[in-house]
Amino acid sequence: DAKTTQPTSMDCAEGRAANLPCNHSTISGNEYVYWYRQIHSQGPQYIIHGLKNNETNEMASLIITEDRKSSTLILPHATLRDTAVYYCIARASGQAGTALIFGKGTTLSVSS
Amino acid sequence: GAVVSQHPSRVICKSGTSVKIECRSLDFQATTMFWYRQFPKQSLMLMATSNEGSKATYEQGVEKDKFLINHASLTLSTLTVTSAHPEDSSFYICSAKDTSSGNTIYFGEGSWLTVV
Repeated sequence: DAKTTQPTSMDCAEGRAANLPCNHSTISGNEYVYWYRQIHSQGPQYIIHGLKNNETNEMASLIITEDRKSSTLILPHATLRDTAVYYCIARASGQAGTALIFGKGTTLSVSS
Repeated sequence: GAVVSQHPSRVICKSGTSVKIECRSLDFQATTMFWYRQFPKQSLMLMATSNEGSKATYEQGVEKDKFLINHASLTLSTLTVTSAHPEDSSFYICSAKDTSSGNTIYFGEGSWLTVV
């Protein structure tokens, strides 16, 4: 899996958009970008994933640059419950049977 | 999204005893499940890959005789911590691959193990 780089921490005001960046400059053509988050003392929660097109679901939007070397997870209206560690993981489709490997992620703190 | 459930969510056991943690995929079948361990303020560390009907694959440094994994059905994998010691106290998390949703991996709620 390609290495991903994320900022250690970010702050966001409640109600504002939270934009979490991820660099994956060595990503290969068959690797998807996955985002998970872990709220304190809980298991990781799947958020969204994409290959090259931008994706949106009820939780977030994923914007992937045209060269696929970086991406941004957008939480459009952050709430206090979005405070968590957010993990960006690059994973090849051919590795469907292999586990997700977690880095240190970005700790997002949403405050009122 | 798909649901993965772990039981128990919290368990306290005495040193030297064994404890079993169950991981179930509630609304999909999972031929592959994964077990992780997480210490406070650290990231998740993969322990082993559990394959239905075959032996688990352990990561380097994880003792297979201490952490017994059984994946006897397509919806259940168990992790048994044998002869537990206080240093085994940790947050144990399982995950399962949902092949019906593009191989997305979903995680359980985690199980807190405290060995006293």
